[in-house]
Amino acid sequence: EVQLVESGGGLVQPGGSLRLSCAASGFTFSSYEMNWVRQAPGKGLEWISYISSSGSTIYYADSVKGRFTISRDNAKNSLYLQMNSLRAEDTAVYYCARDRYYGSGIYDYWGQGTLVTVSS
Amino acid sequence: EIVLTQSPATLSLSPGERVTLSCRASQSVSSYLAWYQQKPGQAPRLLIYDASNRATGIPARFSGSGSGTDFTLTISSLEPEDFAVYYCQHRSNWPRTFGQGTKLEIK
Repeated sequence: EVQLVESGGGLVQPGGSLRLSCAASGFTFSSYEMNWVRQAPGKGLEWISYISSSGSTIYYADSVKGRFTISRDNAKNSLYLQMNSLRAEDTAVYYCARDRYYGSGIYDYWGQGTLVTVSS
Repeated sequence: EIVLTQSPATLSLSPGERVTLSCRASQSVSSYLAWYQQKPGQAPRLLIYDASNRATGIPARFSGSGSGTDFTLTISSLEPEDFAVYYCQHRSNWPRTFGQGTKLEIK
């Protein structure tokens, strides 16, 4: 069974940093591209970052470019999101999501999400 | 950036009714459009990909159609578990974007 489990969320002050993790199991993690998608409270979904299976290709939404860094460790079956210079508008539930197949942009499995709250 | 506009924002319907949700793209996305369902406190679930293909395990009452800029998601006969928020999403280019969602509520 495919499982994605996020962790690392919490309360952080504006300007602070946080590192999210997504632990994958039930599939060959190193063969799949991965994404982070977030959802502000009561709002819709926003794709924020993508990483290819090898980690060689990365994309970011403009809203997080230069502040967030996506990475992965295929040996540990884990995806990461380093978030720096956090702002109040980054408050959201952060989901990791798997690409259905190479380059698909179709998110077939999602984690349960981890809440990040940016507030003083 | 491609903007996806969903309509209506909210729909109030009864179980057993047929419903059609709309998603319009600001420019052509070919058939590269997906639909997701999200229930309160849960992660989104993939329903339809590439406009009309049902994802694994999705009941046949869900169907999608469209191409270019206009897309629809149809639920042929609403079940109680179908009341949720529905999002469309394109994969035509970067950034991937989602529509703002349509909330399906029980009348």
